[in-house]
Amino acid sequence: AQKVTQAQTEISVVEKEDVTLDCVYETRDTTYYLFWYKQPPSGELVFLIRRNSFDEQNEISGRYSWNFQKSTSSFNFTITASQVVDSAVYFCALSERGRDDKIIFGKGTRLHILP
Amino acid sequence: DAEITQSPRHKITETGRQVTLACHQTWNHNNMFWYRQDLGHGLRLIHYSYGVHDTNKGEVSDGYSVSRSNTEDLPLTLESAASSQTSVYFCASSESGGDTEAFFGQGTRLTVV
Repeated sequence: AQKVTQAQTEISVVEKEDVTLDCVYETRDTTYYLFWYKQPPSGELVFLIRRNSFDEQNEISGRYSWNFQKSTSSFNFTITASQVVDSAVYFCALSERGRDDKIIFGKGTRLHILP
Repeated sequence: DAEITQSPRHKITETGRQVTLACHQTWNHNNMFWYRQDLGHGLRLIHYSYGVHDTNKGEVSDGYSVSRSNTEDLPLTLESAASSQTSVYFCASSESGGDTEAFFGQGTRLTVV
C-alpha cells in the first residue's frame, strides 16, 4: 500500500538559514508520482512540484530544490536562505499509476521561519 | 479561468443533522477527491471519484457519502453529523492518469456542536 512519511512534525529556523524537509514514501508500483504542496497560514493548498518515478534528476526553482532518491525512497525538499514568507505547512504526496489515481498525503511539516 | 470552488466556506451544525458540502470544478477533470485536514493527521482521503457515477471509499469514509451525477460536481454528505467530524474539508480535482497535480478548493471549515 502507498504511504508517505514526513517524520518532522515541526521545524523552526532563523531567517536566512537553509532548511530541509524530509519525505519518505512506500509504494509497490514502479511508476508513481511525487508531489510537494505548501499550505500558508491563509489555508489554501499550493502546488509546488511534481516528479515521476523515472526522473531522478534533482530540480531547483529559485530558493527551492528537491532531491529525489529512489534508492532510499526519499523526496526531500530544501529551502535555501529561508524567508519569513516560507513559514507554512508543507505536504509531500504520492500517487500510483496503474492502480489508481488517488493522491495520498503525508502528515505535513510545519515550518516556522523566525525573523 | 478554470477553478474549483467549495461552499459553504464555514458551517456550524448540530450533532445528528445531515450536512452536505458542495464542490464544483470547471477544469473538466475526471478525478475528484474529498479530504479532511486535522491537526496531527495531515490530509486524509475520505472519498474519491474517477468519473460520472463512479465513487470509491478512502481511508476515513465512515459516516460520509458522495455521489457523482456529472463531471463538475462531487458533493460530500455527512449522514448524521458527529463532533468527531469537526474538521476542515478540502475538495480537489485532477486529470486522469495520476501524473498530474491535484487542484484544491479553498476548504470548508465545519464545526459540529
